[in-house]
Amino acid sequence: NAGVTQTPKFQVLKTGQSMTLQCAQDMNHNSMYWYRQDPGMGLRLIYYSASEGTTDKGEVPNGYNVSRLNKREFSLRLESAAPSQTSVYFCASILNLNWNYGYTFGSGTRLTVV
Amino acid sequence: EDQVTQSPEALRLQEGESSSLNCSYTVSGLRGLFWYRQDPGKGPEFLFTLYSAGEEKEKERLKATLTKKESFLHITAPKPEDSATYLCAVQADGNQFYFGTGTSLTVIP
Repeated sequence: NAGVTQTPKFQVLKTGQSMTLQCAQDMNHNSMYWYRQDPGMGLRLIYYSASEGTTDKGEVPNGYNVSRLNKREFSLRLESAAPSQTSVYFCASILNLNWNYGYTFGSGTRLTVV
Repeated sequence: EDQVTQSPEALRLQEGESSSLNCSYTVSGLRGLFWYRQDPGKGPEFLFTLYSAGEEKEKERLKATLTKKESFLHITAPKPEDSATYLCAVQADGNQFYFGTGTSLTVIP
């Protein structure tokens, strides 16, 4: 089925380890986003890519880097994981910012940093 | 400061008991207000977009309305399968999206 695919679904890291979260969409959407969701905090934007070849910081970018590999793929990297990065991470995409149907979200990556 | 607030945080309803969820917002230049449904362990799923005060959208037992300061998601005669967290998001000038923290709805058979 068409949509946004995130890998892995679950991950446990030790403090200081690095990892990359992968995201791919097959809807030919132009813009892609990484959010984190924490209890009582709502969804907060980490980074986004308005179009292929561009990336910009969101509300909470510290400790993260991103790569828009091509139109389909947008990865999120944690260089040195910290317990504060324990969260559920969602990738989302949208055709363009005037798209009436909002984001399409992936199913999330549940990350625990110990 | 741009902000989106949802209330109540949690709501328990008997099957068939209608109610409303609230999303109030303070943003500069509303471009759109979105409602999403999120089931446990899954990503949010799009429900509605509203653009201007007075606008209404309906889908099955759900109806979303919009005023200049807030939006309501009305649930008529809910069923247990309507149990989920409902998220509100606002798209403001500058194309930023701001999410509320959600209302967790439980419908008891």
